[in-house]
Amino acid sequence: GAGVSQSPSNKVTEKGKDVELRCDPISGHTALYWYRQSLGQGLEFLIYFQGNSAPDKSGLPSDRFSAERTGGSVSTLTIQRTQQEDSAVYLCASSSPGARLYTGELFFGEGSRLTVL
Amino acid sequence: TQLLEQSPQFLSIQEGENLTVYCNSSSVFSSLQWYRQEPGEGPVLLVTVVTGGEVKKLKRLTFQFGDARKDSSLHITAAQPGDTGLYLCAGAGDMRFGAGTRLTVKP
Repeated sequence: GAGVSQSPSNKVTEKGKDVELRCDPISGHTALYWYRQSLGQGLEFLIYFQGNSAPDKSGLPSDRFSAERTGGSVSTLTIQRTQQEDSAVYLCASSSPGARLYTGELFFGEGSRLTVL
Repeated sequence: TQLLEQSPQFLSIQEGENLTVYCNSSSVFSSLQWYRQEPGEGPVLLVTVVTGGEVKKLKRLTFQFGDARKDSSLHITAAQPGDTGLYLCAGAGDMRFGAGTRLTVKP
């Protein structure tokens, strides 16, 4: 597709279960970002991937959170032993820093809404 | 990390009113972006301001970048219900956003 695709769009899980959220960035975009947005709040930065560089994990709130980006494209955000406070919308964005006309624009998906019961 | 503070946090106005929201930092930015997020969707870029003192207009929206490139404002003229959303600012190419201003325009 033309835009950033995220799945699932909605996920309901029980406390203590592991969840995986997927992000398909725009084709050719080398940078990929994950954000968390709690109800009524702004965007909390989680992790950033750029090409083959080591990811910037400085925003991950705990060691229960991890993310991978395979083949420089698709990314998976994993939350282990989910807690109720993990309930939020998880947004993925991509950009193309290497593009000749790079403007710094981030292109966002519609997010994955996670509810932990 | 360059921190961005946005104000007000919440704003509820009637259709037809004018409003201004602000994005401030103690750091200098090479450029700054404004995004709007509508309910159930991801943020979408509205504008990038690059030059200190720059003013950009997008229909009823006017964006200004401070002379020192540390702050920016967004002015909306004759607000409409379709302007409702979360307005976010970020340093262009940066990873972190301000907390946003949540605007509600009542018909």
